[in-house]
Amino acid sequence: QSILTQPPSASGTPGQRVTIPCSGDTSNIGTNAVHWYQQLPGRAPKLVSFFNDKRPSGVPDRFSGSKSGSSASLAISGLQSEDEGVYYCSVWDDRLNEQVFGEGTKLTVL
Amino acid sequence: QVQLVESGGGVVQPGTSLRLSCAASGFTLGDFAMHWVRQPPGKGLEWLAVLSHDGVTTFHADSVKGRFAVSRDTSKNSLFLQLLAVGTEDTAVYFCARDWTGNGAFDIWGRGTMVTVSS
Repeated sequence: QSILTQPPSASGTPGQRVTIPCSGDTSNIGTNAVHWYQQLPGRAPKLVSFFNDKRPSGVPDRFSGSKSGSSASLAISGLQSEDEGVYYCSVWDDRLNEQVFGEGTKLTVL
Repeated sequence: QVQLVESGGGVVQPGTSLRLSCAASGFTLGDFAMHWVRQPPGKGLEWLAVLSHDGVTTFHADSVKGRFAVSRDTSKNSLFLQLLAVGTEDTAVYFCARDWTGNGAFDIWGRGTMVTVSS
């Protein structure tokens, strides 16, 4: 069980906006940068947001990360079928001295 | 082309020790912190270990501390993960990843190598 809390699933229809939350505490999200990964079936994870709200080159601007206090979220606007996959938040935990991942949120495009 | 290629996985018996390798190309391993992450079949990502860019500092997850050890050979531009006395709970795909920012943002991942522990 992860110390970062994510809902197991989320869904939306094409064109909609969905938000995936990630909750932690002062030893991780409250202090350090949050990163987000997309994992498509059978593939390695791909970085889609880093340093809380930065977007890597090549990632569509439909993806946007944010952080407030000890919580973070990833918003995906203009939902597309190719966005289906599992999304993980990740952050360094100062108490554990570990990089931790959330348990992942499976996004379904209806 | 910037890429990471893992190798060394396979089907092994409980109690076996093995070493996984991660060959880097298109960049110099010593310029970045490097991590190992694993994913059991059908489950989520689990961070395992990090080696600092200067090769001096390592951190390992509590779940594998004392059994797994990260290291590198800069002459081969390769990262390693030594696994000791594996158990069935170690069955997973093992990924290496480049820490682009030094703050845990992994911009380059390998395709992974599968380790299956079975008697």
